[in-house]
Amino acid sequence: DIQMTQSPSSVSASVGDRVTITCRASQGINNWLAWYQQKPGEAPKLLIYAASSLQSGVPSRFSGSASGTDFTLTITSLQPEDFATYYCQQANTFPFTFGQGTRLEIK
Amino acid sequence: EVQLVQSGAEVKKPGESLKISCKGSGYSFSTYWIGWVRHMPGKGLEWMGIIYPDDSDTRYSPSFQGQVTISADKSISTAYLQWSSLKASDTAMYYCARHRSRYSSSFKDAFHIWGQGTMVTVSS
Repeated sequence: DIQMTQSPSSVSASVGDRVTITCRASQGINNWLAWYQQKPGEAPKLLIYAASSLQSGVPSRFSGSASGTDFTLTITSLQPEDFATYYCQQANTFPFTFGQGTRLEIK
Repeated sequence: EVQLVQSGAEVKKPGESLKISCKGSGYSFSTYWIGWVRHMPGKGLEWMGIIYPDDSDTRYSPSFQGQVTISADKSISTAYLQWSSLKASDTAMYYCARHRSRYSSSFKDAFHIWGQGTMVTVSS
């Protein structure tokens, strides 16, 4: 299986801050990488697909980028509703594995 | 409205069987891959497998192969996840989710539409 390693596992930030979350794939995944946001008691929500494409309806403060097997989710100007857990997922090779998650907490 | 509606919470004993469901509406059910994701309490998301309802092409994670069965009945726009003998370690929230893009060739894709989740509790 392809291992997806997210960092950090948790991060504290304030409203208005810029936050970056990284996901590293154990082998090439041809940019088949998605980012999800999950809040307690809710289903995950798709934010980014194909490494850098913003899902319709998702605020533009969310962005994704890729460099080889390293992927980044950036949230600019954090809003109160952005405090949640974020997961990356590779969709290049079965099984399509998730990262372990990054919890974004209010400082 | 495109949506996936899952069956309700279940409480079962170890060794019992279970089949949970996920009904799609508002789109062409048979032409989108649909998958299952496990979320154990306090843990991360785990990709279990996906199925293409039109021809029942199914792919499993090795971690779940042989432990669960994924199926679909396109005539009633419903996907299923079933266990023949539950264990306490199967206690989790289970989500179904649909890929963004249509057709079987689009298996490399993200989960766009999610069900509300089905909580399965296995306890003696």
